[in-house]
Amino acid sequence: RKEVEQDPGPFNVPEGATVAFNCTYSNSASQSFFWYRQDCRKEPKLLMSVYSSGNEDGRFTAQLNRASQYISLLIRDSKLSDSATYLCVVNKGTGNQFYFGTGTSLTVIP
Amino acid sequence: DTEVTQTPKHLVMGMTNKKSLKCEQHMGHRAMYWYKQKAKKPPELMFVYSYEKLSINESVPSRFSPECPNSSLLNLHLHALQPEDSALYLCASSYRTDPGTNTEAFFGQGTRLTVV
Repeated sequence: RKEVEQDPGPFNVPEGATVAFNCTYSNSASQSFFWYRQDCRKEPKLLMSVYSSGNEDGRFTAQLNRASQYISLLIRDSKLSDSATYLCVVNKGTGNQFYFGTGTSLTVIP
Repeated sequence: DTEVTQTPKHLVMGMTNKKSLKCEQHMGHRAMYWYKQKAKKPPELMFVYSYEKLSINESVPSRFSPECPNSSLLNLHLHALQPEDSALYLCASSYRTDPGTNTEAFFGQGTRLTVV
């Protein structure tokens, strides 16, 4: 079983739409959780860390459910510039191992 | 300085060549990583160095040989690669912290490797 599972999409949404991505992880000992964004032929860049209490950064909201081993990302009022692949990342902590989900492709359409 | 710098950006090598990929960071991070990324796939962890010691080897073939000369540098030595090894090789670094602390990994721009 993979460490981190994501729906690969693709998600094609109109500008202004709200879109949600989900991710599950298999190791209950996982310690840290993140959403990264990767543009075509670029390196992954941190979008936001995910905290147990949930956290928000502008149009982006991340949630963590440790009991269900589930992470989510909500993007409100989608912009064309949000088009990218969104990667769920889990750090098992003990070995500082960052494991990536398969990534979810988002295209925001004018 | 929040950069991880990788060189070269592109590399074409033959199956009998020996080459090295280099990675540098000056953020004081004590954990450094090599990842391999094929097209339309997520990055796959290869190696983790913690305090300049190899702590994780994800069953990577011996034709890939990592080296961490000091806390700022990480190399990946390549020898006798196969065409299927062609990929984007990403270096990353993070603070080495106790479990439970959220600390993100910073990635370099990668070396796009083609084996011919």
